[in-house]
Amino acid sequence: SAVISQKPSRDICQRGTSLTIQCQVDSQVTMMFWYRQQPGQSLTLIATANQGSEATYESGFVIDKFPISRPNLTFSTLTVSNMSPEDSSIYLCSVVHGYEQYFGPGTRLTVT
Amino acid sequence: QKEVEQNSGPLSVPEGAIASLNCTYSDRGSQSFFWYRQYSGKSPELIMSIYSNGDKEDGRFTAQLNKASQYVSLLIRDSQPSDSATYLCAVKPPGNTGKLIFGQGTTLQVKP
Repeated sequence: SAVISQKPSRDICQRGTSLTIQCQVDSQVTMMFWYRQQPGQSLTLIATANQGSEATYESGFVIDKFPISRPNLTFSTLTVSNMSPEDSSIYLCSVVHGYEQYFGPGTRLTVT
Repeated sequence: QKEVEQNSGPLSVPEGAIASLNCTYSDRGSQSFFWYRQYSGKSPELIMSIYSNGDKEDGRFTAQLNKASQYVSLLIRDSQPSDSATYLCAVKPPGNTGKLIFGQGTTLQVKP
């Protein structure tokens, strides 16, 4: 499996600010995703991070709120913009390696 | 109808017993199915994948797939307290997007 790291591991942010989360993989991967896990809930896909092109967003998620960059096959960022308390969640990046999908350790975000 | 359904539990079993976790899915064209284990405060960890009808065994874990009934299950034999976690069923819908749809997860409690 791929080794995935995320930074920061956690943060407490004020309402109205933005936070950029980084995801680094130890090998080149074609498919990379960003998920959100709200407290007590399952995982919801935010978007597919496409290398060299705009991300593909799922229903209910928009680029202005969650801009994503994917400059190469080992790195991606997710920005949570103009945060509100409802954005308090764990944000996870994942990659497909072989036929299987693996998750990073997550970023726990609290918005006050 | 949710796309992937699981009983949220908690499912409580005594140590040494067999734990049976179930999952149904709505898209009949789905071909790939996964079980993830998530400990509290941690990210999901892939424990089993299954692609064809029947059983697939890996140590104490057995995944079962019945595509006609649109049903996936995970059996954990000789359950241990360390198996106490939330188990997430994930289904890859038809197509080449790579994304997964997750069920709500079943919380398993193994009592010593």
